[in-house]
Amino acid sequence: DADVTQTPRNRITKTGKRIMLECSQTKGHDRMYWYRQDPGLGLRLIYYSFDVKDINKGEISDGYSVSRQAQAKFSLSLESAIPNQTALYFCVTSGRQGGVGQPQHFGDGTRLSIL
Amino acid sequence: AQSVAQPEDQVNVAEGNPLTVKCTYSVSGNPYLFWYVQYPNRGLQFLLKYITGDNLVKGSYGFEAEFNKSQTSFHLKKPSALVSDSALYFCAVRDDQSGGYQKVTFGTGTKLQVIP
Repeated sequence: DADVTQTPRNRITKTGKRIMLECSQTKGHDRMYWYRQDPGLGLRLIYYSFDVKDINKGEISDGYSVSRQAQAKFSLSLESAIPNQTALYFCVTSGRQGGVGQPQHFGDGTRLSIL
Repeated sequence: AQSVAQPEDQVNVAEGNPLTVKCTYSVSGNPYLFWYVQYPNRGLQFLLKYITGDNLVKGSYGFEAEFNKSQTSFHLKKPSALVSDSALYFCAVRDDQSGGYQKVTFGTGTKLQVIP
């Protein structure tokens, strides 16, 4: 079983719809992140959370919101989807032990298409 | 501000030949450097990291990377490429001086194509 599980894996929806992407992890990590990947742009940070009730904006938070329901769960919402939010979205975790040298652990992504 | 550059969008190499995927970085303090690999329909997987110590770092699947402080580079290398190494490779950097949340900056990725 995957350590970082994202649902759904693929989603096609229409402009204006509300969408929620869910993430759960079994790694016991306290830090969770949402990134989006676009060809030629690499990965950009949307939101991050270091603990339950800790929510921080990343580089490109406009149009997105998040909820950290438990240490193991971190969901991303698009309140009113628009076509330029079409991208591959990754949930990522990292542990506190070992400090900033710890690598990040990625889910397998949600491919989101907004028509 | 920190940044990472991967100057090649794609690298082609014949199977059995050595490969190099280039990465240069810019940080204010000391860098923490990472390489990740992405296979189709999968998330990024950690390959190796440089924190401190030896400039040559060994990682998974026979990959290694050389840290060069004077050239601010962290190139990924493998002595003998396999077709199964074909994937997208990302370099990433963290700055030990950024304080608070130490942001990770990823490069734009280099597609490695190993030709049989």
